[in-house]
Amino acid sequence: GAGVSQTPSNKVTEKGKYVELRCDPISGHTALYWYRQSLGQGPEFLIYFQGTGAADDSGLPNDRFFAVRPEGSVSTLKIQRTERGDSAVYLCASSPLPGTGGYTFGSGTRLTVV
Amino acid sequence: GNSVTQMEGPVTLSEEAFLTINCTYTATGYPSLFWYVQYPGEGLQLLLKATKADDKGSNKGFEATYRKETTSFHLEKGSVQVSDSAVYFCALKYRFGNEKLTFGTGTRLTIIP
Repeated sequence: GAGVSQTPSNKVTEKGKYVELRCDPISGHTALYWYRQSLGQGPEFLIYFQGTGAADDSGLPNDRFFAVRPEGSVSTLKIQRTERGDSAVYLCASSPLPGTGGYTFGSGTRLTVV
Repeated sequence: GNSVTQMEGPVTLSEEAFLTINCTYTATGYPSLFWYVQYPGEGLQLLLKATKADDKGSNKGFEATYRKETTSFHLEKGSVQVSDSAVYFCALKYRFGNEKLTFGTGTRLTIIP
């Protein structure tokens, strides 16, 4: 597609449930990033993939969060045992090469945990 | 650690006014600096960037100069338009070996006709 696609755009889930958030990057982009944006804050880094491997997962807040990119294209962010504090907009970005910083972001998935 | 401090918003200006949004950073070494913009209902977009001291990034009439001596990267535009209404984020990244962008909290700009 022309841009980074994220689905769903909105997700409401009950506390304790499991959720998956999907990111479809721009075709051919080898680098993929996940960020989390809480209300009134800037995006915070979660994880970076180069190809299929997670090159840096230092931003994942705890072991309830996990992300995969099995074929080097689509990525899924998985959150287990959701908590109300996980409510935020989850942003995905991609770039053709790492190192430039000029990423293309998707519109995000707004996750609400009730 | 690394951090970015932005001018608090919201900022409201009249059309054709001069705009400055302040951004200062704290980092070891020499990061690359960015301004991203988020228009209503859209994803973050790269507005401009600068990769070394004294570089000036520019795009769509916006400019920002990388000032190492004051650790600043202020965003300016000479004459704003209603279509510039958006949230603006300053960010930094180390050039090599670290892909993490560190963002400021954002500044909401509203331009009134």
